[in-house]
Amino acid sequence: GNSVTQMEGPVTLSEEAFLTINCTYTATGYPSLFWYVQYPGEGLQLLLKATKADDKGSNKGFEATYRKETTSFHLEKGSVQVSDSAVYFCALRGRNSGYSTLTFGKGTMLLVSP
Amino acid sequence: KAGVTQTPRYLIKTRGQQVTLSCSPISGHRSVSWYQQTPGQGLQFLFEYFSETQRNKGNFPGRFSGRQFSNSRSEMNVSTLELGDSALYLCASSLGPGLAGGPPHEQYFGPGTRLTVT
Repeated sequence: GNSVTQMEGPVTLSEEAFLTINCTYTATGYPSLFWYVQYPGEGLQLLLKATKADDKGSNKGFEATYRKETTSFHLEKGSVQVSDSAVYFCALRGRNSGYSTLTFGKGTMLLVSP
Repeated sequence: KAGVTQTPRYLIKTRGQQVTLSCSPISGHRSVSWYQQTPGQGLQFLFEYFSETQRNKGNFPGRFSGRQFSNSRSEMNVSTLELGDSALYLCASSLGPGLAGGPPHEQYFGPGTRLTVT
């Protein structure tokens, strides 16, 4: 079955530091890959996505590249801000052969200090 | 366009009771999925509805059920509540399953309903 593994947190950084959150996946075929962010007391927000190999998703300074050869989708940001403090979830969803569901990683908490 | 709305936002119930949670999808969206989020198990898929029919179901006991109405609004029900049902229940809406063989439509999540069972 499908599975997503992401690095455990919390990840603690100072403002303006470089961020990497690792994510690897196991899936049959060619899934779509997603990063979601959850701020305290809120639901999930889609941060970025990639639907095929070598696609780069980007949004709000965050980037992730779909690497089929390493089955990875690592999240990066060049300069984090305090407002980026949240929990980040890597997820995948299979190509359409029915109604495939989102499979999530465990989440990585990011704490950014001023 | 209004986002996904979930009611109520917070709920406290006692063991053995039942509860109904409601989700209103984004206008034009016909698919609604439900997820349970707990610190121990993370995010787990409950079920998905499209055009009033359950299309997919996760690995949860029969105490968990749902339905979708003709206006795409969805409800989920949990009967005979247990302490372990305490969780954040998230609803997500999308346009639908997408084209066969293609990438699925994005899912947009609501703020969730925080259920506490005492």
